[in-house]
Amino acid sequence: QVQLVQSGAEVKKPGASVKVSCKASGYTFTSYYMHWVRQAPGQGLEWMGIINPSGGSTSYAQKFQGRVTMTRDTSTSTVYMELSSLRSEDTAVYYCARGGYETRDPLDYWGQGTLVTVSS
Amino acid sequence: SYVLTQPPSVSVAPGKTARITCGGNNIGSKSVHWYQQKPGQAPVLVIYYDSDRPSGIPERFSGSNSGNTATLTISRVEAGDEADYYCQVWDSSSDHPVVFGGGTKLTVL
Repeated sequence: QVQLVQSGAEVKKPGASVKVSCKASGYTFTSYYMHWVRQAPGQGLEWMGIINPSGGSTSYAQKFQGRVTMTRDTSTSTVYMELSSLRSEDTAVYYCARGGYETRDPLDYWGQGTLVTVSS
Repeated sequence: SYVLTQPPSVSVAPGKTARITCGGNNIGSKSVHWYQQKPGQAPVLVIYYDSDRPSGIPERFSGSNSGNTATLTISRVEAGDEADYYCQVWDSSSDHPVVFGGGTKLTVL
């Protein structure tokens, strides 16, 4: 069965960086896009970007350009999302979510979420 | 960028039908996906490509999309359907191609 298992909660100070991992299993890792979506407390879903695990190409939401980096390790079927220059507004639950063969496909499996708290 | 508009809340009595709308400019020309999110849990895909249901999703969940409005319909609503629901599209012309609606809180009375 498809599983996406994310790394544990993080507490960071403003200005720091955080790197969240998402380990995939139960399917061919390189055949499906992977998205990152975040959700601030009490707020809706916000798309951050997408990575093609096959070649490593990425596309980021303009809001996060210059601050976010998504990478993958095909040897461990893991994708990573690093967000830098953290501020309090980045406090949120961060989800990885599997896309499909095409970029327009739905996000059909989601990780359990990683809470990132930014506080001085 | 493309904007999706959902009502903040919808209330329905058990056994009745709930309809949650998602408005967007000519959304009927796009493919709409719907997600259910219960408190403290990750979202779950309930409808994809306007009206298809993933395996394991009850037939009570259905979707439609035409003109400027997509609709998620939940028939014979149960207490367990109480959740937040989000619509989502892929807007290929945008630099923010994955767009979510603001979400609708479904309350079962």
